[in-house]
Amino acid sequence: QSVLTQPLSVSGAPGQRVTISCTGSSSNIGSGYDVHWYQQLPGTAPKLLIYGNDNRPSGVPDRFSGSKSDTSASLAITGLQAEDEADYYCQSFDISMTAVFGGGTKVTVL
Amino acid sequence: VHLAESGGGVVQRGGSLRLSCTASGFIFGDFAMHWVRQAPGKGLEWLTFMRYDGSQSHSVDSVKGRFTISRDNSKGTLYLQMSNLRPEDTAVYYCAKGSGGYGHVQLDSWGQGTLVTVSS
Repeated sequence: QSVLTQPLSVSGAPGQRVTISCTGSSSNIGSGYDVHWYQQLPGTAPKLLIYGNDNRPSGVPDRFSGSKSDTSASLAITGLQAEDEADYYCQSFDISMTAVFGGGTKVTVL
Repeated sequence: VHLAESGGGVVQRGGSLRLSCTASGFIFGDFAMHWVRQAPGKGLEWLTFMRYDGSQSHSVDSVKGRFTISRDNSKGTLYLQMSNLRPEDTAVYYCAKGSGGYGHVQLDSWGQGTLVTVSS
């Protein structure tokens, strides 16, 4: 069982908007630690998608956006595309000085 | 930035293995480094990190006392010494670069991973 809670799966048609929630607690996200998001395409290593709650690394399309509030965070994908089909993970830190991941969400493009 | 893990393989329960992660394309000694694993068909599990200067490290409870992270900044290499391995340690092990010198930042680059299989 992961420290951060994510839905197992979300799906949407091409062009639609989907969101992935990431719920933590007062010992991690709620303690003020930033939330980061990673995309893992099938058979590949994870890639940083969003950092510092709502920042995109260079090269990440602006259809990906992040937000954080209290003890939770969200990743939104607008204008869903076929190549967005992947697993997505949220990550933060805990007051125990350990990093924590969500269980991952599989995004399916219908 | 390039990270290349090596040292994975098949090991029996109770055995030991040392993973290496060779870094290039950045000043290795300026950044914290992490190990993350992924069991077959499962999600990511963070294991441990070490500060840029090697002065501090932290690990998840499930590997404390069994896994030890270390680094050689002169060689640009990160290590993970694993002992008393269990079948549940079977996973792809990734090394990842922190975006700063300390632990609580994002992991901005990842290696391709090395597979560790622990047989019972």
